[in-house]
Amino acid sequence: QVQLVQSGPEVKRPGSSVKVSCKASGGTFSTYAVSWVRQAPGQGLEWMGRIIPMLGVAIYAQKFQGRLTITADKSTGTAYMDLSSLRSEDTAVYYCARDPTTDGYIYWGQGTQVTVSS
Amino acid sequence: EIVLTQSPGTLSLSPGERATLSCRASQSIRSTYLAWYQQKPGQAPRLLIYGASSRATGIPDRFSGSGSGTDFSLTISRLEPEDFAVYYCQQCDSTPFTFGPGTKVDIK
Repeated sequence: QVQLVQSGPEVKRPGSSVKVSCKASGGTFSTYAVSWVRQAPGQGLEWMGRIIPMLGVAIYAQKFQGRLTITADKSTGTAYMDLSSLRSEDTAVYYCARDPTTDGYIYWGQGTQVTVSS
Repeated sequence: EIVLTQSPGTLSLSPGERATLSCRASQSIRSTYLAWYQQKPGQAPRLLIYGASSRATGIPDRFSGSGSGTDFSLTISRLEPEDFAVYYCQQCDSTPFTFGPGTKVDIK
C-alpha cells in the first residue's frame, strides 16, 4: 500500500522560501516520478513540476522557473518542493502525487497548507 | 502548453440523472495520457479514469470516459449523492501536465 505523507502547515512572510516534504512508503520510490500540484483557495488544480528520483532530473512549469526547486532523496524515499520569493498569490494547498505518466495520479499526499502573509 | 477547457463550469442535476462533462484540448492528446479526477472539499483529488476510458481500481461502473484527439468526456450514468463534487481532466502527454479548470456538479 503506497502512502505519501507530507510535512505540516507553514506560514511564511512575503519574499521568503518554503520547503515541503513528501515521504513515500510502500512501493518503489525511485521508479516513479513525483509531481507537485497546488490549489489556491477556491481555485482549481495547478501542476507545478515533477522529478524522477532515479534520474534526479526535474521539470518545471514555465510559470515557476527560477523560483521552484524539486529534489528527491532516494535513501529516505522523500521528495521535496522548495518555492522561493513567496508572494500572497502562493497561498495554497500543495500536494505531491506519484506520477506514472500513463496511468493517472492514483496516490496523493494529504496536502500541505502554505500561507503567505505579512 | 496544452490548454484544457472544461464545460460546463457548473452542472446542476438531481440524484439519478445522467451527467456528461466535456474536456477539450488546445491540441491533440494521445488518449493514453488523459485522466479524470473527482475532488470533494478538503480532500485530495481522486483518480477516476486514466487512459481516457479505463476506470481506476474501485471506481464504480457508473463512471465512464471516452474521447480522442482533442475532445474527451466523462459520463456519470446515474448520479449518486456522493457524486456531487468537482471534476478535473488532466493531460500528461506533454509538460507542463495541465489540468482543466474543473466542472462542479451540484445538486439541483
